Amino acid sequence: GQQLNQSPQSMFIQEGEDVSMNCTSSSIFNTWLWYKQDPGEGPVLLIALYKAGELTSNGRLTAQFGITRKDSFLNISASIPSDVGIYFCAGPTGNQFYFGTGTSLTVIP
Amino acid sequence: NAGVTQTPKFRILKIGQSMTLQCTQDMNHNYMYWYRQDPGMGLKLIYYSVGAGITDKGEVPNGYNVSRSTTEDFPLRLELAAPSQTSVYFCASSYPPIYEQYFGPGTRLTVT
Repeated sequence: GQQLNQSPQSMFIQEGEDVSMNCTSSSIFNTWLWYKQDPGEGPVLLIALYKAGELTSNGRLTAQFGITRKDSFLNISASIPSDVGIYFCAGPTGNQFYFGTGTSLTVIP
Repeated sequence: NAGVTQTPKFRILKIGQSMTLQCTQDMNHNYMYWYRQDPGMGLKLIYYSVGAGITDKGEVPNGYNVSRSTTEDFPLRLELAAPSQTSVYFCASSYPPIYEQYFGPGTRLTVT
């Protein structure tokens, strides 16, 4: 199956700092999605990207669809405690769906 | 709308036992999915369905079966539980654009 690698694996940041994470694939994707998962809950969609080079924002979150179609980036500005969780990238190939390995974010007040 | 609901929330099975994980959505979504999430890992697709009567295998289908007799329901069946099936199972649904999936709260299954 497809392998989506996320980095960093985990991050510990101070409240108010900006965060950057990325996701890379060995194959081309035509859609990239970013999800957040809180402990004990299902993932929640944050941002969907449908076009190479696309830059999309959702509040303090900004995601970019890499030009090569093999990567995507998520930035969080001015982090707050409720940003804590695991962030996953995901992408479809046909009707198959693949999730990345996740980036765990801890925000220190 | 309740969204995607899953039952049970927790279950402990003995090796060799069978069970059905229930998933229901009230959003009239055509597409439904089953994933498993092992500790510290991402989600892996088990089975998916693009409509009532149509199902197909995902990345890790072995040991599982599904059916889709209605738009709303997509049960996942484990016939002979094995310790390797200890995981958290998530059901999701979507409507075009098909990739924006809504997830249920999950079922935490332990097989001992």
